[in-house]
Amino acid sequence: AQSVSQHNHHVILSEAASLELGCNYSYGGTVNLFWYVQYPGQHLQLLLKYFSGDPLVKGIKGFEAEFIKSKFSFNLRKPSVQWSDTAEYFCAVSRFSGGYNKLIFGAGTRLAVHP
Amino acid sequence: EAGVTQFPSHSVIEKGQTVTLRCDPISGHDNLYWYRRVMGKEIKFLLHFVKESKQDESGMPNNRFLAERTGGTYSTLKVQPAELEDSGVYFCASSRTDREQYFGPGTRLTVT
Repeated sequence: AQSVSQHNHHVILSEAASLELGCNYSYGGTVNLFWYVQYPGQHLQLLLKYFSGDPLVKGIKGFEAEFIKSKFSFNLRKPSVQWSDTAEYFCAVSRFSGGYNKLIFGAGTRLAVHP
Repeated sequence: EAGVTQFPSHSVIEKGQTVTLRCDPISGHDNLYWYRRVMGKEIKFLLHFVKESKQDESGMPNNRFLAERTGGTYSTLKVQPAELEDSGVYFCASSRTDREQYFGPGTRLTVT
């Protein structure tokens, strides 16, 4: 069965530090890849997505992710975090199959950024 | 454009009672999904509607859960009777295409 693994459950950083959150998935076929973010008290929002093409994807708020097919990975990065990046981050995978694409989520990573 | 809305935002019920959760998707979105997150674990897929038809309900935990989408608009998810392990946050998402899903704020269900 498909699965998504997020390497860190909790990450604590100081402002201006660099961020990298790991994500690996188990499915070997063609996949769509997503990072969602949930800020405190808010709903899940799409941060960025990869469907095809350039494996380096740029999203909102200065985030980017790199799809490495050979490693089944889709790590999220930001060169300099801000206090406002404090949130929970979810990696998700879907497999386009006949028009139906349920998302398989990782367990989430809680990021706390201290001023 | 209004986002996905869910009602109620919170629900506290006793074991054995019935609860109905509602989701209103973004207008024009034929695809509607239900997900659940239990006790800080991963968000898990429950089922998928295309318009009023159930396309995939492989994630529904058991027959105490019943989802409907009358007329292809809003959807309801009924839990009857509720058990303690049903506690969690229930998310609804909708999409126009087959790819990008937009999520609602979730309903936090607590079964005591």
